[in-house]
Parts: sequence; structure tokens; C-alpha cells
Amino acid sequence: DQQVKQNSPSLSVQEGRISILNCDYTNSMFDYFLWYKKYPAEGPTFLISISSIKDKNEDGRFTVFLNKSAKHLSLHIVPSQPGDSAVYFCAATPPGYGNKLVFGAGTILRVKS
Amino acid sequence: DSGVTQTPKHLITATGQRVTLRCSPRSGDLSVYWYQQSLDQGLQFLIQYYNGEERAKGNILERFSAQQFPDLHSELNLSSLELGDSALYFCASSVGGFGELFFGEGSRLTVL
Repeated sequence: DQQVKQNSPSLSVQEGRISILNCDYTNSMFDYFLWYKKYPAEGPTFLISISSIKDKNEDGRFTVFLNKSAKHLSLHIVPSQPGDSAVYFCAATPPGYGNKLVFGAGTILRVKS
Repeated sequence: DSGVTQTPKHLITATGQRVTLRCSPRSGDLSVYWYQQSLDQGLQFLIQYYNGEERAKGNILERFSAQQFPDLHSELNLSSLELGDSALYFCASSVGGFGELFFGEGSRLTVL
């Protein structure tokens, strides 16, 4: 039961252009969404988040958009840099006790210089 | 460096064996989480502890158990290992019971 889906296993983008990573979810009760970035041989690191009551959150080059009616969120990276090359995981928090994040399978982003 | 320490980094063992993975959270963090990442899969939540008490449970197998000790470090015990248990096991911590998680580098378990 994949409640959070990242349908693109990989994405290749030219340096300086926009990277758009997509994520779909099935549980309308998720109340918080997060993006994590992971480099090889390292653990995931938090990138940006958005509450379900908002539709956009921006932090520097990173913007997350949430479309609740479509159960879809996306991460925009502008401009993309070679150092952004990593695996990006979308995650969501179901309501209730605890902080059990539900992760997607990840998208490998390659930024070419 | 997230401040979360996991040992061992790599572990190779045989089916039927038992292993223990250890995690030291960031200084001051009271919550510890365990996640499993199998090949080409997302991270699967296993269990969360908060200040020594179990807070939330995911799809953790009965063969797996965890605990958080008074010094807040945590151990994940995996027993009667099967080939399918081969995965990266991540530990994460957070200050409270919610909020941003800080992940360790993971322990890669290979069951032969």
C-alpha cells in the first residue's frame, strides 16, 4: 500500500534550469508534507516542508507546491546546481499520535553542468 | 554530520542469525525512530520511541524488536534473519515527538 508515490525514478536537468520533482499521495488525511534530500552513503536530510493548510512554501531556491484537490505536491529547484544532484524523497505525516513519516520511493536528480 | 550515530555501518550475516543495530541520537533529542529501506523502495517506518517509551509503531515484524535506554540511545534487534531482511536501516532523532527528523548514515545489513 503505497500511500506516497514518486512516479519518476530519475530526472536529468541542465545546470541553471528548473528542476521539478513530483509526488502524489492517496491519504487525504495527511497533514504535513516534507522533502528530504539524500547523498550517497549519507542519511536523508530535511529540505523543506509544507502544512496541509498552505499551498506554497518557499525557501531560497526551493519551493514546494501543494494541490490538495489533486493530492499532488511538487518541489521546484531554481536555478538547479550540480550540487543538487541527489535522491529526493517526498514524505507525509498521517494524523494521530506519533511522528511516523510515510516516504515515497525517491527520485534521482542529476544536474548536468 | 547530522549528529546521529549508527553502528555498525555494514553487517553481513547468515539466515537464521540475530543482529543488533545501535543508534545514538543527537544531543538533547528525546525521540528516536527506526526506518528500513529495501532496494529501490522508500523508507519504511518501523518504530518510534520518545524518552524511553514506545510512541508509534509501523509495519515492524514480530522478529524485530527495539528499545530506547535511559541514556536515550536505541537498539534495533533483528532475529531469525531472512534474505528479505537485507536492507539499509536508518535511525533518526528529533527533539520532541514531532518535527524535523535528523537521520544517521544508516546500517547496511546483508543476509546471505
